Amino acid sequence: ETGVTQSPTHLIKTRGQQVTLRCSSQSGHNTVSWYQQALGQGPQFIFQYYREEENGRGNFPPRFSGLQFPNYSSELNVNALELDDSALYLCASSLGSNPETQYFGPGTRLLVL
Amino acid sequence: EDQVTQSPEALRLQEGESSSLNCSYTVSGLRGLFWYRQDPGKGPEFLFTLYSAGEEKEKERLKATLTKKESFLHITAPKPEDSATYLCAVRKDSSYKLIFGSGTRLLVRP
Repeated sequence: ETGVTQSPTHLIKTRGQQVTLRCSSQSGHNTVSWYQQALGQGPQFIFQYYREEENGRGNFPPRFSGLQFPNYSSELNVNALELDDSALYLCASSLGSNPETQYFGPGTRLLVL
Repeated sequence: EDQVTQSPEALRLQEGESSSLNCSYTVSGLRGLFWYRQDPGKGPEFLFTLYSAGEEKEKERLKATLTKKESFLHITAPKPEDSATYLCAVRKDSSYKLIFGSGTRLLVRP
C-alpha cells in the first residue's frame, strides 16, 4: 500500500506568479483535502474534493483552486501569489464522502519572494 | 467560535521523564478529536482518533484521553526519538475540515 505523495518538495516563486502543486492519494482513497501550514502554526483547511467535486471550503480566496482527477490524484492551483502564501502545503487523503481519519503527505514548501 | 488551544507551546523533558500535553477545545457537535505527530519539514503522522468523553487509546509510550472539554496526550518514559511537534485537531458533525491547534513542540534530551 502506497502512502500519500506530493510534488514538488520545494518551490520558489515571485509575487504575482501562479503555482500548481500535485498530490497522489493513498491507494484506495477517494477523498483529498488540502491544508496550508504557516511556520509555527497548525494546518489551515483550504478545501476538500470527493469524486472530482469540491465538497467543502475554508476561508481562502478564489485564487486558491483545485482539481481532482478520476484516478483520485489532485492539484492545488494558486494564482497571483502573495508573500503571505509562503507556507507548507499539505494534502491529506481519506476514504468516503464523510471521511474520518485523514492521512497526510510530506508537503510542498512554497516560498514567495 | 470554534477553537483548539494546545499547551504548553514547548516542552523539554529528560529521557524517562513522563509528562502530559493538553488540548482544550470549544466546538459544538464534536465528531472526533485527532492527535498527529509532525517531524520538522514533514507532514503530520496520524496517531489517534477519539470520539467520546471517557475514551482512551494507547500506542507504545503514548496514551490519549478525552473529556468533554479537553484531551490529554500522556507520554510515559519518553525517548529522544519522541521529540517532535504534537498536533491536536477536532472535527465537527457539520463539517469535513479538521480544525488544528498550534501544536506542542516536545524535546526529549538523552
